[in-house]
Amino acid sequence: EVQLVESGGGLVQPGRSLRLSCAVSGFTFDEHAMHWVRQAPGKGLEWVSGISRDGDTIAYADSVRGRFTISRDRNSLHLQMDSLRPEDTALYFCGKDIGPGIGATEDWGQGTLVTVSS
Amino acid sequence: DIQMTQSPSSLSASVGDRVTINCRASQDINIHVAWFQQKPGKAPKSLIYLTSILQSGVPSRFSGSGSGTDFTLTISRLQPEDFATYYCQQYRYYPLTFGGGTKVEI
Repeated sequence: EVQLVESGGGLVQPGRSLRLSCAVSGFTFDEHAMHWVRQAPGKGLEWVSGISRDGDTIAYADSVRGRFTISRDRNSLHLQMDSLRPEDTALYFCGKDIGPGIGATEDWGQGTLVTVSS
Repeated sequence: DIQMTQSPSSLSASVGDRVTINCRASQDINIHVAWFQQKPGKAPKSLIYLTSILQSGVPSRFSGSGSGTDFTLTISRLQPEDFATYYCQQYRYYPLTFGGGTKVEI
């Protein structure tokens, strides 16, 4: 069974940093691209970032480019979030792609909540 | 960035109804469209990729169609568990982008 478990969320002040992680199991991690998707309270889904299976291809949403960094190692996906803003407040989901390149998500974690507030 | 415009934003339906949700892309995205279902307080569930291919375990009452800029998700006979919010997403170009969502209510 595919499992994706996010961690690292919490309350942080504007301008500070936070590092999210997603521990995976139940599939061969290095055969699949991975994603981060977020959802602000009461809002729709927003794709944040994706990374190919080998880490060679990385893409970001315009709203986070230059502030967030996606990475992967062993059986974990990470999202380093710097210079956080109140508008980054959201539930952050980790997603497993159907294939090796950045494309469609097929499995999701339950999410970790990030709150940016002073 | 590619804009994905979903319509309607909400709809009322009854069990057994046929429901159609539309998604229009701001430019040609071939067939690189996925559909997701989300219930309140839950993670999204993947329904369809490449416009019309059902994810494993998704009931056959769900179907997808379209190409280029216009795409449709159809639920042939609405079931009680189908009341949820549905999102389309394009993955032809970076950054990937979602539609605004369609809430299917009783």
